[in-house]
Amino acid sequence: GENVEQHPSTLSVQEGDSAVIKCTYSDSASNYFPWYKQELGKRPQLIIDIRSNVGEKKDQRIAVTLNKTAKHFSLHITETQPEDSAVYFCAASPGSWGKLQFGAGTQVVVTP
Amino acid sequence: NAGVTQTPKFQVLKTGQSMTLQCAQDMNHNSMYWYRQDPGMGLRLIYYSASEGTTDKGEVPNGYNVSRLNKREFSLRLESAAPSQTSVYFCASSDTGRANYGYTFGSGTRLTVV
Repeated sequence: GENVEQHPSTLSVQEGDSAVIKCTYSDSASNYFPWYKQELGKRPQLIIDIRSNVGEKKDQRIAVTLNKTAKHFSLHITETQPEDSAVYFCAASPGSWGKLQFGAGTQVVVTP
Repeated sequence: NAGVTQTPKFQVLKTGQSMTLQCAQDMNHNSMYWYRQDPGMGLRLIYYSASEGTTDKGEVPNGYNVSRLNKREFSLRLESAAPSQTSVYFCASSDTGRANYGYTFGSGTRLTVV
């Protein structure tokens, strides 16, 4: 089955700096890669996603890049703000009934 | 629209007790999922239902059973709770007919087994 590894496990950044979270996946059949943000005590919420036929996608201050050959994808947050502090999860799906395999999560702390 | 509704939000059980976690979605999604979230381990799939009338095991199904009652509802049952089942449980749904089928999660159930 699919295995997703996520790094780093914690990330501290100064407000205004950029944050990058990286994930690798094992199943070359995976074709859908969403990212979720989970604030403390809340549910995970989808923030951006990408399919395998697209190399990069951007939405305001967040962007995701995908390297199918290397089987890794990354989340980039620019001009970080305190409200970006949360746990971020990457996920991958080989398309089998929509099952998602999640990474272990990255705790992002943005300090003013 | 309510999205995905889970009940209860909190529950404390004694070892050996049973309970059912309820989940309902109003988005006409075909697929539904139950995940558990433990510190440092991300979200792990317990069971899923690709469509009404079907269910299948995920990564950590032992100790659980599910029922897809209809298209809207997907329940998770613990027959004999164990302390190892202390966790936060999330139900999710998705429309896998779409190209980008990111899940919508419920608000979670925090379960403690003592």
